[in-house]
Amino acid sequence: DTGVSQDPRHKITKRGQNVTFRCDPISEHNRLYWYRQTLGQGPEFLTYFQNEAQLEKSRLLSDRFSAERPKGSFSTLEIQRTEQGDSAMYLCASSLSEVAYEQYFGPGTRLTVT
Amino acid sequence: DQQVKQNSPSLSVQEGRISILNCDYTNSMFDYFLWYKKYPAEGPTFLISISSIKDKNEDGRFTVFLNKSAKHLSLHIVPSQPGDSAVYFCAASDISSGSARQLTFGSGTQLTVLP
Repeated sequence: DTGVSQDPRHKITKRGQNVTFRCDPISEHNRLYWYRQTLGQGPEFLTYFQNEAQLEKSRLLSDRFSAERPKGSFSTLEIQRTEQGDSAMYLCASSLSEVAYEQYFGPGTRLTVT
Repeated sequence: DQQVKQNSPSLSVQEGRISILNCDYTNSMFDYFLWYKKYPAEGPTFLISISSIKDKNEDGRFTVFLNKSAKHLSLHIVPSQPGDSAVYFCAASDISSGSARQLTFGSGTQLTVLP
């Protein structure tokens, strides 16, 4: 399977704990995006990488959120001191620069903060 | 403010008939539009896209129409099949967003194709 993969698929954590999610993009894609989706809404942009450089962050990405993409391959999204409002589906997508808008999504990580 | 709107949360269609899903947008800087399909517990799957310089793009049973003056696009599925039952998201990319080209999504329409 050469699609975008994410791990874990589900995460339940207690408020105040830290969580980390991983995304492996399509291998030849140099762009990687993180989105968040809440119930009844479409995905909302969080941040994006071109190779290993994080080039843009949404205002939705508070200081408790940090993302990395070492060596321009997989990416991690960490949420520190989780809050109940962080409960959502976290989606990763990847694309090629030449058709950056044509983004391919992974299955997502569903986070539940209790 | 919602820049991409899908005003119909749900749509039911008989198998074999045409499904028409609608989307309106407000941002004149959108230059690419995409439709994604999403099954439960899966990520959105890219279906079809259209550039703002075109008014129609067709791929098999799926056709997307763009009316720039009305800031409206629609996805036609014909003939509809039960496997098409899913949530459909309209998305747009903003040429003024710089290098990111992040997508702005609508809230989705649940399509149910009845056998």
